[in-house]
Amino acid sequence: AQRVTQPEKLLSVFKGAPVELKCNYSYSGSPELFWYVQYSRQRLQLLLRHISRESIKGFTADLNKGETSFHLKKPFAQEEDSAMYYCALSLLDSSASKIIFGSGTRLSIRP
Amino acid sequence: DAGVIQSPRHEVTEMGQEVTLRCKPISGHNSLFWYRQTMMRGLELLIYFNNNVPIDDSGMPEDRFSAKMPNASFSTLKIQPSEPRDSAVYFCASSFGRGFNEQYFGPGTRLTVT
Repeated sequence: AQRVTQPEKLLSVFKGAPVELKCNYSYSGSPELFWYVQYSRQRLQLLLRHISRESIKGFTADLNKGETSFHLKKPFAQEEDSAMYYCALSLLDSSASKIIFGSGTRLSIRP
Repeated sequence: DAGVIQSPRHEVTEMGQEVTLRCKPISGHNSLFWYRQTMMRGLELLIYFNNNVPIDDSGMPEDRFSAKMPNASFSTLKIQPSEPRDSAVYFCASSFGRGFNEQYFGPGTRLTVT
């Protein structure tokens, strides 16, 4: 069955420290993966997608098909990075083409 | 564009009452999604529409939940009768094309069933 797993509900790091939010997926087809972010009092919004291979707000994520992972990383955390982060998997091979979200990780950056 | 619009923003109702949540997608978007967010289960896809047609409703928890999209600019999610375990934040999102395109989320409706 298709699944997205974010093992950490809460991750707390100091400002300036490296950040890694873990995401593992289970899918036999060709995956397309995303990270969405929800800042306090704001709407859930797309942060980045693996197909774009881009860095947004200093965050990057690399798809590792061997490990079925799509971890989100940032070398130096900033206080404004505090938010809820969701990893999401799009099922491209399905005629129903939908997105499955992980349960989310709340990132808290301590000053 | 005001983005995806949801109403009401907050709803408090008593167990057994009917609840209707509303969503207006971004103009031009042809896919619409309803999600439920809880602390325990995170963000769950309930149902999604493409070109006003329900494509996948496998996430709808039970028959008490129903959703409609009578036209391209309006959708409703109805719970009848409501139960305390339905308390959650319900999000609507829209996108252009299929599900793997960027989804734009509404602000959500916080539902409390007492």
